[in-house]
Amino acid sequence: DAGVTQSPTHLIKTRGQQVTLRCSPKSGHDTVSWYQQALGQGPQFIFQYYEEEERQRGNFPDRFSGHQFPNYSSELNVNALLLGDSALYLCASSTGGKDYGYTFGSGTRLTVV
Amino acid sequence: KNEVEQSPQNLTAQEGEFITINCSYSVGISALHWLQQHPGGGIVSLFMLSSGKKKHGRLIATINIQEKHSSLHITASHPRDSAVYICAVRSVNTGTASKLTFGTGTRLQVTL
Repeated sequence: DAGVTQSPTHLIKTRGQQVTLRCSPKSGHDTVSWYQQALGQGPQFIFQYYEEEERQRGNFPDRFSGHQFPNYSSELNVNALLLGDSALYLCASSTGGKDYGYTFGSGTRLTVV
Repeated sequence: KNEVEQSPQNLTAQEGEFITINCSYSVGISALHWLQQHPGGGIVSLFMLSSGKKKHGRLIATINIQEKHSSLHITASHPRDSAVYICAVRSVNTGTASKLTFGTGTRLQVTL
């Protein structure tokens, strides 16, 4: 039973570029939440997708966008990258728009240079 | 002031010691999670609590809803327990979504 899978594991991008991160939820889960974790900080909520719609959004600019596909996998897109976007991006899956059985992926470490 | 505060921020213990990590929150919650994060990023959910106490192996988590406080205890600590322990809460005001608000974590180092 696969857990949450994120790709890529590491990524280096240049300021101003665009990036797409991917997440496949745990089998049986239909809800995907994205978090940004800066070095030494706790994760910050970016947004959550359920039934292919954005259900809730944290305090992040419109440069951060996402999508959920019919198979429940999700993408996080960040446009016009800034140095401050360098962080670990975590995906968590759960069911029914709730946090029961919350399962995290290992994250994608994004470095913007 | 953060909605979720953890203490201590850093903790060093010798193998076998009893460890307590505390979490205080300032909002009404429907659930509280204790999470473990090892170097490299991966986060594992240890407990989800809405009341009382839960135990799993050497780990015990308690929550006092009235006092808005939770504790994570590790009995007979071992070097493999070295990790960052994070408290996260689900506010009652999140409506139908399940956004979690995280503490900044407690970095635990258990030495031989």
